[in-house]
Amino acid sequence: SAVISQKPSRDICQRGTSLTIQCQVDSQVTMMFWYRQQPGQSLTLIATANQGSEATYESGFVIDKFPISRPNLTFSTLTVSNMSPEDSSIYLCSVGTDGSGNTIYFGEGSWLTVV
Amino acid sequence: AQSVTQLGSHVSVSEGALVLLRCNYSSSVPPYLFWYVQYPNQGLQLLLKYTTGATLVKGINGFEAEFKKSETSFHLTKPSAHMSDAAEYFCAYSGAGSYQLTFGKGTKLSVIP
Repeated sequence: SAVISQKPSRDICQRGTSLTIQCQVDSQVTMMFWYRQQPGQSLTLIATANQGSEATYESGFVIDKFPISRPNLTFSTLTVSNMSPEDSSIYLCSVGTDGSGNTIYFGEGSWLTVV
Repeated sequence: AQSVTQLGSHVSVSEGALVLLRCNYSSSVPPYLFWYVQYPNQGLQLLLKYTTGATLVKGINGFEAEFKKSETSFHLTKPSAHMSDAAEYFCAYSGAGSYQLTFGKGTKLSVIP
């Protein structure tokens, strides 16, 4: 299994500011992803964090709003830029560990409230 | 495109009663299917998964699910509900070999004493 740590776990942010969320895994992983869970909603994939190259974004998500870094196989960051109240969500890091697509773990999430 | 449908956004059962949470998927490729649980103010915890092999899969906390290809279903069951089972449950799909998950909208389970 993989132990995933996300920071911050919770934060209250001012409108117009940016916040960077960190995801640290205790072992090297093949794949890392970022998901968003808006209040009362299900999870939506934001992007795949690619090691050493630009992230791959899903429809409706853009790099200017959600820049992602992945400098190595154990760490990634997601920045939520120029935040508005609509960005109030849980942001979750997800990792795949075994190269076969059938072992997927989630971090505890970062709960952001934008005021 | 693949999709996951969870029937019933809210299910209530009595303590000790059968829990049945429904999930159907649509996919053009062999699916991997997952059930996750989210307790209030917590992240996601994997309950069980189906990838290949045995279609009846057993997970943690007494839950199990059966993959039925002919019905494109992966319903979650537990013979006897416990108060601690109250949570939101998400069914998710990925194509075989992919880590990208498509989630259903979730079913909130309430357990009545």
